[in-house]
Amino acid sequence: AQSVTQLDSHVSVSEGTPVLLRCNYSSSYSPSLFWYVQHPNKGLQLLLKYTSAATLVKGINGFEAEFKKSETSFHLTKPSAHMSDAAEYFCVVSAPPALTGNQFYFGTGTSLTVIP
Amino acid sequence: EPEVTQTPSHQVTQMGQEVILRCVPISNHLYFYWYRQILGQKVEFLVSFYNNEISEKSEIFDDQFSVERPDGSNFTLKIRSTKLEDSAMYFCASNDRDNYGYTFGSGTRLTVV
Repeated sequence: AQSVTQLDSHVSVSEGTPVLLRCNYSSSYSPSLFWYVQHPNKGLQLLLKYTSAATLVKGINGFEAEFKKSETSFHLTKPSAHMSDAAEYFCVVSAPPALTGNQFYFGTGTSLTVIP
Repeated sequence: EPEVTQTPSHQVTQMGQEVILRCVPISNHLYFYWYRQILGQKVEFLVSFYNNEISEKSEIFDDQFSVERPDGSNFTLKIRSTKLEDSAMYFCASNDRDNYGYTFGSGTRLTVV
């Protein structure tokens, strides 16, 4: 079975300081992992994805995430927060499509606040 | 960048009425999905659709829900008789299985009054 735990429901950082949003996953198979961002009243936008290639994945808007199998983690980071980064962030796990029908499992989300 | 388009962006309906939420997936994608997000809660899987039939559905997707791909481009979610608890943001997604990772639409906010 697949599941995702986002360790913080809310993170608050000052503008210009680093961002760390934590995600741990559980998967019976080699997972694919994703981070999505949702701005208020907007849809889900893909930030980045890991699909068994390089363990350090770079995404849009300066975000990156590192897949650590030994820690079953896929934390999202950004060196310097911008006001426009304030949003809800979702970590998502998906098992290989042949085994599950390509169904995504969402974390409960982390709300990021950026303080001017 | 290709997009998944959902219409309308916001729909208000009276309890007991039927609603149809519309989605236009990316044209060469073969797998289609509906998810929903009740306000303040996590995004939940509803149904996946491939080769003109449902491939998986969740417990949420009961007899009040149906999906179809009527014309080869649209992918619709119908709720036969809406309840207050159907109020949520509904997301459509499509995927080309060879290019792993969904593309989501911007969602339809359904409000049942």
